[in-house]
Amino acid sequence: EVQLVESGGGLVQPGRSLKLSCAASGFTFSNYYMAWVRQAPKKGLEWVATISTSGSRTYYPDSVKGRFTISRDNAKSSLYLQMNSLKSEDTATYYCARSGPELPGYNYSPNWFAYWGQGTLVTVSS
Amino acid sequence: DVVMTQTPVSLSVSLGGQTSISCRSSQSLVHSDGNTYLYWYLQKPGQSPQLLIYKVSNRFSGVPDRFSGSGSGTDFTLKISRVEPEDLGVYYCYQGTHYPLTFGSGTKLEIK
Repeated sequence: EVQLVESGGGLVQPGRSLKLSCAASGFTFSNYYMAWVRQAPKKGLEWVATISTSGSRTYYPDSVKGRFTISRDNAKSSLYLQMNSLKSEDTATYYCARSGPELPGYNYSPNWFAYWGQGTLVTVSS
Repeated sequence: DVVMTQTPVSLSVSLGGQTSISCRSSQSLVHSDGNTYLYWYLQKPGQSPQLLIYKVSNRFSGVPDRFSGSGSGTDFTLKISRVEPEDLGVYYCYQGTHYPLTFGSGTKLEIK
């Protein structure tokens, strides 16, 4: 059974940093792209970051580019999101999600979210 | 950025009834590999989103055949037949073809 368990959320002041973690199990972590998706209170879903299987390629929307860094440790089956220079508009529940598998030699988009964690709440407030 | 426009914003359906949700993208979702990476998610109250439909019309594992997806290019539809109580929640369309990846704003389904 695929399991994704996020941790690291909490209350943080504007301008400060926070690092989220996601522990994965039930599948071969190193074979899959991984992503973070967030949801502000009572709002819709917003993609935050994606990372390739090796970690060599990362993708972000402009809203977090330069402030957030996605990374992974395949040996530990763990995904991370380092969030710097946090703003009040970053307040949200952050979900870890499993994307598609690496398919060497195939030009395709692995950008879907087949499995989601339960989320961790980040509140940015003074 | 690709804007995903969902309609309606909300709908109310009787148990056993049928309904549909529309999703339009601001540009074609056909990828250079020929596939269309359009997905549908359901977020039930208090839960994480769950994948219902992938690549326009394929039901994800465990999704009942009451759910069906269709469409092409920029115009897509999710149909729900024989609506059951557990179908309530917010439905999102999502495109995985173009960066930045984008979701629709959601359609809230209520049961009459």
